[in-house]
Amino acid sequence: KQEVTQIPAALSVPEGENLVLNCSFTDSAIYNLQWFRQDPGKGLTSLLLIQSSQREQTSGRLNASLDKSSGRSTLYIAASQPGDSATYLCAAANQAGTALIFGKGTTLSVSS
Amino acid sequence: DARVTQTPRHKVTEMGQEVTMRCQPILGHNTVFWYRQTMMQGLELLAYFRNRAPLDDSGMPKDRFSAEMPDATLATLKIQPSEPRDSAVYFCASGPFSGTTGELFFGEGSRLTVL
Repeated sequence: KQEVTQIPAALSVPEGENLVLNCSFTDSAIYNLQWFRQDPGKGLTSLLLIQSSQREQTSGRLNASLDKSSGRSTLYIAASQPGDSATYLCAAANQAGTALIFGKGTTLSVSS
Repeated sequence: DARVTQTPRHKVTEMGQEVTMRCQPILGHNTVFWYRQTMMQGLELLAYFRNRAPLDDSGMPKDRFSAEMPDATLATLKIQPSEPRDSAVYFCASGPFSGTTGELFFGEGSRLTVL
């Protein structure tokens, strides 16, 4: 059974810092991995989707990597801003069209 | 701007009452998921449908929860009778799974409080 873990549960950084959020999964036979952002009281917004055949995806200041052999994914945020403050969740799908299994998220706080 | 729409956004009810939450998936998406989010457990899958047929509802307490898709534009999650432990945010998500990338899109959620 797939399990997804995110450490740390919370992270505080000053504005401008580059940071890395970590995600690990127990079953390396994943179909894809998706990173989401959740603002308080809101739904989840998809940030990046990495297919199992890919090693990384980039969108603006965000870069997500995937290492299936080690069961890890990282989300790199460059030049963090206060507007990046939110909870970031990663989720893995084991097969095409099956449900995503979520980690519990890392709550990021960026201070100005 | 296509999005998943959920109603109600907030619901406060008393224990024992029936609760129905509704979801309108993005037009053309053939797979619909129901998740529940709590502080303790995070996001848990309750059920999901492909082309309106239930594929997996193993995460759902069968004695009180039921999920249906009366048509391609509506998914419902019903709790009867509701209990305080059902208090959570319920999310609906949809995706265009048919050999495509598999990206999932979430609604804003229905926050349920059972007193």
